[in-house]
Amino acid sequence: EAQVTQNPRYLITVTGKKLTVTCSQNMNHEYMSWYRQDPGLGLRQIYYSMNVEVTDKGDVPEGYKVSRKEKRNFPLILESPSPNQTSLYFCASSPRPGTSSYEQYFGPGTRLTVT
Amino acid sequence: DAKTTQPTSMDCAEGRAANLPCNHSTISGNEYVYWYRQIHSQGPQYIIHGLKNNETNEMASLIITEDRKSSTLILPHATLRDTAVYYCIVSYPLMYSGGGADGLTFGKGTHLIIQP
Repeated sequence: EAQVTQNPRYLITVTGKKLTVTCSQNMNHEYMSWYRQDPGLGLRQIYYSMNVEVTDKGDVPEGYKVSRKEKRNFPLILESPSPNQTSLYFCASSPRPGTSSYEQYFGPGTRLTVT
Repeated sequence: DAKTTQPTSMDCAEGRAANLPCNHSTISGNEYVYWYRQIHSQGPQYIIHGLKNNETNEMASLIITEDRKSSTLILPHATLRDTAVYYCIVSYPLMYSGGGADGLTFGKGTHLIIQP
């Protein structure tokens, strides 16, 4: 089944403790992206990647890192989480850039709480 | 990317057609209209997209006005499972997006409630 998976789905952690949220897709998509969703603010893009080893900042990249060493994986790293990073996080992927379609496939979400 | 305006919420009776409007008066020539929906904190789900012509797929129809300043998403026979927040997004395709933020801009959308 074509899908985007995220792990963990739920995480409660403390301020300053490094964490990684994994994202994997099995559709051979070149484009991947991370969003966060907060009440009243909608979805905002954190980072995106057009291909392996190619990443760039989105609208709200501060406090986050990403890497794209393999096509299928795009982990989100919080080196020193803070309470303002408490949010619902979504990973998404999309087929090769250059097509007319902007159909993005979203993962199920990771609910992160930083105390 | 062009900004969109959608009603905050709408109701529709089960089995009837749900018509969700979207205004995008500042849309530019190469920007597409995309519709996504999100069911209660699940990941957003792609529904349909179009440039100028009306489009139809197994989920919905998209009607775009001739001047492209507005569009309507039509769910022909709404069911209770269609209750969700529906997002209308106007965006360039990836090939034109160039540098800077490259993501879809999700506004607040329309909360569609299907009534039994």
